[in-house]
Amino acid sequence: QQQVKQSPQSLIVQKGGISIINCAYENTAFDYFPWYQQFPGKGPALLIAIRPDVSEKKEGRFTISFNKSAKQFSLHIMDSQPGDSATYFCAAATDSWGKLQFGAGTQVVVTP
Amino acid sequence: DGGITQSPKYLFRKEGQNVTLSCEQNLNHDAMYWYRQDPGQGLRLIYYSQIVNDFQKGDIAEGYSVSREKKESFPLTVTSAQKNPTAFYLCASSDEGRGQPQHFGDGTRLSIL
Repeated sequence: QQQVKQSPQSLIVQKGGISIINCAYENTAFDYFPWYQQFPGKGPALLIAIRPDVSEKKEGRFTISFNKSAKQFSLHIMDSQPGDSATYFCAAATDSWGKLQFGAGTQVVVTP
Repeated sequence: DGGITQSPKYLFRKEGQNVTLSCEQNLNHDAMYWYRQDPGQGLRLIYYSQIVNDFQKGDIAEGYSVSREKKESFPLTVTSAQKNPTAFYLCASSDEGRGQPQHFGDGTRLSIL
């Protein structure tokens, strides 16, 4: 069974809007939470990552929010652009050499 | 330009055949990984290697084999024992001290004829 549950499966947002993708996990040993962005026919690219000692991390228009007590983390894409249209994966790992457990992915479509 | 090169981009296999997917990196990364991606599912780890001449099974290793004879190369063989090989295969790498993939190749799509 999937150790990281990701929602929604897909979302459509207008240009300039906010895209929000949520992930939840059960394993409290997870301590590394990356997000990957994947365009069709390409491999994923590491977008941003967070560790549980911080509640939020921002890089440009992308922000990860982390709620340790709720065992949830989310990706916010501010001022969404058509070029952000892609599939986004959350993931989690237990330690420096822990295997990544991926969510099922969210397909984001940003309309002009 | 550093990166990961996977070849071929598309591959077709007949029933009962073994096929080998190539993965080469010029990032000087120690660790390399193979993932399988199916529609509606996240990536699943097939094999990984932290160092030359050593590799470990991931979550779905059955029907696959790998070798790591050179730091820059990590080929994956899909054997006839893999009953459902049609998928998108992704190779990745990470540098020393990082156990999670930092760079991915652009994948090989394997289909059964």
